[in-house]
Amino acid sequence: QVQLVQSGAEVKAPGASVKVSCKASGYTFSNYDITWVRQAPGQGPEWMGGMRTYKGDTNYAQNLQGRVTMTADISTSTAYLELRSLTPDDTAVYYCTRDPGAARFDSWGQGTLVTVSS
Amino acid sequence: QSALTQPASVSGSPGQSITIYCTGTSSDVGGYNYVSWYQQYPGKAPKLMISEVTHRPSGVPDRFSGSKSGNTASLTISGLQAEDEADYYCSSYRRGVTVIFGGGTKVTVL
Repeated sequence: QVQLVQSGAEVKAPGASVKVSCKASGYTFSNYDITWVRQAPGQGPEWMGGMRTYKGDTNYAQNLQGRVTMTADISTSTAYLELRSLTPDDTAVYYCTRDPGAARFDSWGQGTLVTVSS
Repeated sequence: QSALTQPASVSGSPGQSITIYCTGTSSDVGGYNYVSWYQQYPGKAPKLMISEVTHRPSGVPDRFSGSKSGNTASLTISGLQAEDEADYYCSSYRRGVTVIFGGGTKVTVL
């Protein structure tokens, strides 16, 4: 079955960077895009951007441009999200999702809590 | 980015039908048939329940259905069950190659 397994929770100081991993199994990794979504406490989800795993093309949310990088290692079926210059507003659960197109996300990782606090 | 508009809460008794509305604009909900609905239990990841306005993925009970009229999409749960108590989020493609989500609706089974 399709599975996305993410790395563990992180606590970061303001100004630091975080890198979250997402290992996929149960399907051909390069056949699907990976989209990252975050959810702040008590809020709705927020689309962060996505990438075509087989080409490496990326599309980032405008409000994160310059601070976010999404990459993928096809050899290990793993996607990565890096977010830099963290502020307390970046405190959220970060999810990787499998994106088959049509703006839908049909499988989700278990989530990674990133806490930004001094 | 402004979120899609959803009611904060909807409730119903077991066996009843409820409908959750999701209002956007002609740049998102009204302009494309790329509306999805997700169910989320506390502390868990969202689960896709409806995609492309009306499509129900394999394994989703047929008491869940979706529709759209103009700039408003809707999710109907027929024959409400206790296990349907959760948060529900709509999402849509928005012009400019982005996806926008709603603020969420808490469904309570009385």
